[in-house]
Amino acid sequence: GESVGLHLPTLSVQEGDNSIINCAYSNSASDYFIWYKQESGKGPQFIIDIRSNMDKRQGQRVTVLLNKTVKHLSLQIAATQPGDSAVYFCADSKGSGYSTLTFGKGTMLLVSP
Amino acid sequence: NAGVMQNPRHLVRRRGQEARLRCSPMKGHSHVYWYRQLPEEGLKFMVYLQKENIIDESGMPKERFSAEFPKEGPSILRIQQVVRGDSAAYFCASSPPGTGILSGANVLTFGAGSRLTVL
Repeated sequence: GESVGLHLPTLSVQEGDNSIINCAYSNSASDYFIWYKQESGKGPQFIIDIRSNMDKRQGQRVTVLLNKTVKHLSLQIAATQPGDSAVYFCADSKGSGYSTLTFGKGTMLLVSP
Repeated sequence: NAGVMQNPRHLVRRRGQEARLRCSPMKGHSHVYWYRQLPEEGLKFMVYLQKENIIDESGMPKERFSAEFPKEGPSILRIQQVVRGDSAAYFCASSPPGTGILSGANVLTFGAGSRLTVL
């Protein structure tokens, strides 16, 4: 079946370091991917997205890389701040013409001052 | 713009009771999605609705669960005869008309969730 999973359940970094969160997906038909940030007690918040016809996309302090050959997705956060501490989910779209997403389990990012 | 509003934020029910969770989408949004998040797991899609129509309920349990999005008022996720395994956070999301992978933006706005605890 289709699945989106994350390699590491917890990532601890120092403030100012760069963070890399990884994600593997199994559905080769997936053509749209999103990263969400979920802070404690809140709903998921959109960070950045990427389509399968792209390898890289940059936002403010964040970069998403897509490797379709090995079905791997990563989120890079530059100069990580304590406010970045949260659970990060990757999700893929079923691509059925309307918006449904399959989420991975999430990676907890802990940023120490 | 108040965003996606969910209520109640916390709901406690005893086994066998009914739970009703409400979701008001963002102003102007016509698509509503419900997700369930079990402890330490990612969100699982349950159902996708437009006004007065269920578009995709492939993630809904076959029994006890139902959802509606009436012409007027919020979307409601209803769980009948709750069991302990129903304890979870239920998130609602909405998106504007025309969103979808073929039309471009595929971004959902999520509410803060409703946390159901079944005793």
